[in-house]
This record gives sequence, structure tokens and C-alpha cells, in this order.
Amino acid sequence: DAGVIQSPRHEVTEMGQEVTLRCKPISGHNSLFWYRQTMMRGLELLIYFNNNVPIDDSGMPEDRFSAKMPNASFSTLKIQPSEPRDSAVYFCASSTGTNTGELFFGEGSRLTVL
Amino acid sequence: KQEVTQIPAALSVPEGENLVLNCSFTDSAIYNLQWFRQDPGKGLTSLLLIQSSQREQTSGRLNASLDKSSGRSTLYIAASQPGDSATYLCAVQHSGYALNFGKGTSLLVTP
Repeated sequence: DAGVIQSPRHEVTEMGQEVTLRCKPISGHNSLFWYRQTMMRGLELLIYFNNNVPIDDSGMPEDRFSAKMPNASFSTLKIQPSEPRDSAVYFCASSTGTNTGELFFGEGSRLTVL
Repeated sequence: KQEVTQIPAALSVPEGENLVLNCSFTDSAIYNLQWFRQDPGKGLTSLLLIQSSQREQTSGRLNASLDKSSGRSTLYIAASQPGDSATYLCAVQHSGYALNFGKGTSLLVTP
């Protein structure tokens, strides 16, 4: 299996622009998570899906952030409009969706907003 | 809210030493605890997963223990090597499916 695949790996954009990050989870995994990592705050959970349904989006910082999972093999995290404080590494992870499941991470998307 | 703390934040040891990384959590009602490794610029790699009913897990030179009642876990690395240099993160899973992470311990093993 190719693991969790994220794109783009690096994104540099200007404040106010729309940013879309993409994730393909491991086949057969039915839980998907979006995390954000910064030096100051560490890894923060933004949102997670189970069977394509958003379960908890309480970590999404504000309305500028949105996430979708239209099918079991694809998810997007969108920021519109982007701000410099959104600069971080965004990770997607997937698991089998049980309470005992191991979590597998993608390589991350490093976002820089100028 | 579950708080996960890792001590020390950074550690430097000479090659060959045995070392212990610590993780503590405030809510003992967990389903499992996982230890991850993160190399610079990379994603997280799962090292060990301990279910709430277990006390420890071993993989090669790594051994992780879990004491749920006291809210503590340790990761023991035997005979450390320069290739072990990375950031090690502890994460706990309780209600729902999501993990709460500590901020990690940055380990440097010098030749």
C-alpha cells in the first residue's frame, strides 16, 4: 500500500488567496483526520471523519476553514481566505476507525502564507 | 480536556546509552496510547501502540510501558544509535477516535 498521500507537499501563497490541501487515505481505512502542526502549539486536531461523515470539527479554527470527504478515498481541507497565521504543516492521517486502531500519517503539506 | 505532557523537551546522549522518554496524561480513561517518531520535514511514523488493557509493548530496541492509573507512559530505547535521532511524540486516544498529542521530545544521539 502507498500509505496516506497528501498534496501539495509545499504551498506558498499570498494572504487572501484560497488554499486547497488534498488527502488520499489508506484503502480500507474508514477514519480520516486532519491535524495542524506548529512549533508553538504542536499537533492540533482540526477535524475527523468516520465513514465519510464529519464527526468532530470543533478544532477548526474559524469559518475560513472547511473540510470535505466526498468519498472514502479523498478528502480536502480548504482555507479561504488564507492569512499569515495559517502558516503551518497540515497532516492527514487515517485509521481503521476503531478504538484500538493505529494511526497512519501522510508526509504533510507545508503551507506558507505571505 | 486531556492534557499530554512530555519530559524532557530535548535530550542529547552519546551513542550506546540506554534512555527513557516520559509521557504523562491527565485523563486516565483512555483506549490506547501510541508512540510516534517524526524525522525533520517528515510525517509521523507509529512505533508502538499500547491498548488500555496492556502494560507494555516491545519492538526491537524499543519498549513502551503504560500505567493508566497514574497517567504515565515511558519509552525505553536500548543501546541508542545516531539513527535514533528524531522527535518522539506520545499520543492518547480516549473518547471518540482522535488522538491528543504531546509536544514531543527531541532526541539527539551523538556518535
